[in-house]
Amino acid sequence: NAGVTQTPKFQVLKTGQSMTLQCAQDMNHEYMSWYRQDPGMGLRLIHYSVGAGITDQGEVPNGYNVSRSTTEDFPLRLLSAAPSQTSVYFCASSPGSNTGELFFGEGSRLTVL
Amino acid sequence: GIQVEQSPPDLILQEGANSTLRCNFSDSVNNLQWFHQNPWGQLINLFYIPSGTKQNGRLSATTVATERYSLLYISSSQTTDSGVYFCAVSDTGNQFYFGTGTSLTVIP
Repeated sequence: NAGVTQTPKFQVLKTGQSMTLQCAQDMNHEYMSWYRQDPGMGLRLIHYSVGAGITDQGEVPNGYNVSRSTTEDFPLRLLSAAPSQTSVYFCASSPGSNTGELFFGEGSRLTVL
Repeated sequence: GIQVEQSPPDLILQEGANSTLRCNFSDSVNNLQWFHQNPWGQLINLFYIPSGTKQNGRLSATTVATERYSLLYISSSQTTDSGVYFCAVSDTGNQFYFGTGTSLTVIP
């Protein structure tokens, strides 16, 4: 199994550009989520999904959109990138909400100029 | 949201030494996990431990949910233990709150 796969691993954007970070998991997990990691601040939850067709906001959702059309995929969209969105982004999945461990992807480093 | 405090923020150990990392949280939780982020940035789940004690090789963890803290013990530390250790908690299972981590450096 590949586990949780994130693409791209690195991306540089200009202010105002849009892009999508892809996340896919092959473990049939119901729960998927996106985090951002900034220096000295740990990981903060952006959006999460408890199943196909269901998404909700986390701690820092502004500037990001998500959708969950399939169990496997949970893309994160930046519609108009800002320098404040420069960060490392992690996708995580779990068998179900409140059941068991979070499994993380390898991360995507995004720089917005 | 739930406040999570980890201590110490930084720790430098000689190889072979033991250490204890602490995670305090501000509210009742039903999910608590410990993660290790290696120097390449990869996050690895060490323990899912909402209560009780677990052991995995040289690592063990204890959570006292009624007193709102968890401890991670590392014995006979090795250079490969270096990295940042995070505690994450949730009360609903949907929203996880992370501490700011303990940065561990193990010196040969």
